[in-house]
Amino acid sequence: NAGVMQNPRHLVRRRGQEARLRCSPMKGHSHVYWYRQLPEEGLKFMVYLQKENIIDESGMPKERFSAEFPKEGPSILRIQQVVRGDSAAYFCASSPGIANTGELFFGEGSRLTVL
Amino acid sequence: AQRVTQPEKLLSVFKGAPVELKCNYSYSGSPELFWYVQYSRQRLQLLLRHISRESIKGFTADLNKGETSFHLKKPFAQEEDSAMYYCALAFDSSYKLIFGSGTRLLVRP
Repeated sequence: NAGVMQNPRHLVRRRGQEARLRCSPMKGHSHVYWYRQLPEEGLKFMVYLQKENIIDESGMPKERFSAEFPKEGPSILRIQQVVRGDSAAYFCASSPGIANTGELFFGEGSRLTVL
Repeated sequence: AQRVTQPEKLLSVFKGAPVELKCNYSYSGSPELFWYVQYSRQRLQLLLRHISRESIKGFTADLNKGETSFHLKKPFAQEEDSAMYYCALAFDSSYKLIFGSGTRLLVRP
């Protein structure tokens, strides 16, 4: 089991461009969580998804940010019209859903730099 | 609102010394508390959870509801314990974790 896979690992965008971050959960996991980590800060919850459903997006900025977890394929975090303040590390985590013990399995993160 | 506070950004100790990484939380209900660890060049991973009442790699943590704390302790630190440690709280079955800002533990030889 390769674990949670995130790509790209590093992404550079200019202000106004779009950023797409992908996350493939561990095999057998149906729950995905996205977190953002700003420099010198802890991980901040953004969104929690199950296959084809957004369960909780209370941590997502109201504009420019969206997330999906389609029936087939990876979960995608999309940031439109990026600004410098979006520069951060974005972490994805997954859990099995059924018999969830609270252990989240994290990816290595995607580091977004906005020029 | 739920919140997790780790007051120390950096904790530096010598090998063999006791270690205590502090964690306090704000939540009026019955939370589940976790410690996650990130070693150099590795992913963030679960170290221990309070409901398990287990010792992992010599670390223990006791939930103190009166003081709303969940401090992580180890009697004798080892160099390989050097890492970032994050305290986290879950307050419902979604396990949408609320993380503290982390403490970097540096164990010197």
